[in-house]
Amino acid sequence: QQPVQSPQAVILREGEDAVINCSSSKALYSVHWYRQKHGEAPVFLMILLKGGEQKGHEKISASFNEKKQQSSLYLTASQLSYSGTYFCGSYSGANNLFFGTGTRLTVIP
Amino acid sequence: DGGITQSPKYLFRKEGQNVTLSCEQNLNHDAMYWYRQDPGQGLRLIYYSQIVNDFQKGDIAEGYSVSREKKESFPLTVTSAQKNPTAFYLCASSPTGGGTEAFFGQGTRLTVV
Repeated sequence: QQPVQSPQAVILREGEDAVINCSSSKALYSVHWYRQKHGEAPVFLMILLKGGEQKGHEKISASFNEKKQQSSLYLTASQLSYSGTYFCGSYSGANNLFFGTGTRLTVIP
Repeated sequence: DGGITQSPKYLFRKEGQNVTLSCEQNLNHDAMYWYRQDPGQGLRLIYYSQIVNDFQKGDIAEGYSVSREKKESFPLTVTSAQKNPTAFYLCASSPTGGGTEAFFGQGTRLTVV
């Protein structure tokens, strides 16, 4: 079962904030976040290796709640360049890398 | 420059034909992965390999086959048994499993007519 991301899609105006959630029925040993522009390869944003960890910089950050098997990505003061589809990912105990269902983010002027 | 290369970018095939998608990396990564992407369904794992001559099925392996004869190469064959092969296919690699960043190729868009 893929981790479920919410919302599935969101439209923001420039400067607005957004939160993307990732919830898994499997244990998450680490959480990755990627952004994919249409028709392109996903690009790595950050990785969180342990529960309680928060990472990122001023505009894009993430948190990881290991017990709840959840992670959230926070985008503040969104820019047009933030548009794309965001994926959370994690490794299972068998070392296979699986990804969430994706969240399509559109930033408009 | 190190990276991961998929070819071709676009591929058209007739129904009932097998087709092989290429994935090559020069990052010296042990692990390689194949994903299928359909609109609204995220990235679904087809096969993965942690070492040469070994690979494991992912969530949607039916109708696909792979080989890992060299560390650098992980080709994916879409067989005629795959009922709905038209999709965007992504290959990825990582240094090891468990907590390391994955690098993706640019993808192959396969259309079966």
